Amino acid sequence: DTEVTQTPKHLVMGMTNKKSLKCEQHMGHRAMYWYKQKAKKPPELMFVYSYEKLSINESVPSRFSPECPNSSLLNLHLHALQPEDSALYLCASSQDGSGANYGYTFGSGTRLTVV
Amino acid sequence: AQRVTQPEKLLSVFKGAPVELKCNYSYSGSPELFWYVQYSRQRLQLLLRHISRESIKGFTADLNKGETSFHLKKPFAQEEDSAMYYCALTVTNNAGNMLTFGGGTRLMVKP
Repeated sequence: DTEVTQTPKHLVMGMTNKKSLKCEQHMGHRAMYWYKQKAKKPPELMFVYSYEKLSINESVPSRFSPECPNSSLLNLHLHALQPEDSALYLCASSQDGSGANYGYTFGSGTRLTVV
Repeated sequence: AQRVTQPEKLLSVFKGAPVELKCNYSYSGSPELFWYVQYSRQRLQLLLRHISRESIKGFTADLNKGETSFHLKKPFAQEEDSAMYYCALTVTNNAGNMLTFGGGTRLMVKP
């Protein structure tokens, strides 16, 4: 399996809802990432997990809460989001936190709409 | 802080013409550079890594440290090359590894 799988593909949520995005990989990668991509913009890094520990938080608001239950899974818990949080949320993985030479593998993303 | 600049938002060429997508970077350390491509309705995927010095789908990219550039080139563009191309730079420190993207260039290859 050489893919990163993200669910759901689409999500519409209200500003008072709580929802979660899920990401899974079975490539044995030990670093996983959440990115946010607005329309016609490049992906922007949100969080980095290295060996299941949160190592980088790019000053993301607390209404986004990441979780790494094990080396294959990465979740992003959402609560009290704003309409401006509507975007494509991408998950990625890489071999490990230091081995960047092989590049990142990206999932197809969850398109989130906050109403 | 690291920065990646792609000066052209859109590049339009005819099929069979040469293509060069420009990428410049600023980073005080030793950079690791990549090109990613996003075809319509497909996921972002790795195209090239500077460290491997490979040619993928006819594309090549050479790291020029003097000019801090990593331009993507192809001698003869094909219609199926039409996509969004992102140049990206990796920074690794004690906290971990971060991939930073340029603004992207949309390549349109006309028949």
